[in-house]
Amino acid sequence: GAGVSQSPSNKVTEKGKDVELRCDPISGHTALYWYRQSLGQGLEFLIYFQGNSAPDKSGLPSDRFSAERTGGSVSTLTIQRTQQEDSAVYLCASSGRLRGPSSTDTQYFGPGTRLTVL
Amino acid sequence: TQLLEQSPQFLSIQEGENLTVYCNSSSVFSSLQWYRQEPGEGPVLLVTVVTGGEVKKLKRLTFQFGDARKDSSLHITAAQPGDTGLYLCAGGGGADGLTFGKGTHLIIQP
Repeated sequence: GAGVSQSPSNKVTEKGKDVELRCDPISGHTALYWYRQSLGQGLEFLIYFQGNSAPDKSGLPSDRFSAERTGGSVSTLTIQRTQQEDSAVYLCASSGRLRGPSSTDTQYFGPGTRLTVL
Repeated sequence: TQLLEQSPQFLSIQEGENLTVYCNSSSVFSSLQWYRQEPGEGPVLLVTVVTGGEVKKLKRLTFQFGDARKDSSLHITAAQPGDTGLYLCAGGGGADGLTFGKGTHLIIQP
């Protein structure tokens, strides 16, 4: 597709269940980012992938969160044993600088997945 | 940790009025970006400012980067209902991701 796509667009789950969120970046983009947007916190950075390199997981909120990127393209963000405080919009973004990201690279965002934990 | 503070948090004005949104930090940023986000969508980049003192114009929107590269402003002239949205400033990027301000919710009433 022309832009970043995310699925599902909405997810309602019960506390304690696991959820998997998917991101399809723009074709050819090597850098992929996950962010979380909640009412009180605004947009916060979670994790970054550059190609197939192992990510720095230090930005993930807890060890219940994990992310992977297969084949340097599609990424999934998994939240285990969801809690009500995990409710938020999860946004994915990609950018295309081949030599590695720089601070002036444009990040293109997907529409997000709205997660509601009951 | 670099923080970005935006003000005002909410702004509702009449069509045709002018407004300014501010983005401030105690840290120096190599660049700052401004995004606009509409409900149900992801943020869309409006502009990147890189040089201290830089001014960029995008139609009725004027963006300024402070001389010390710690602050930025967005000025909208003759606001229109189509300008309604959440305006976000962001800095950093690269492997550490972007640091976002909490945003300014702007409503332009016809």
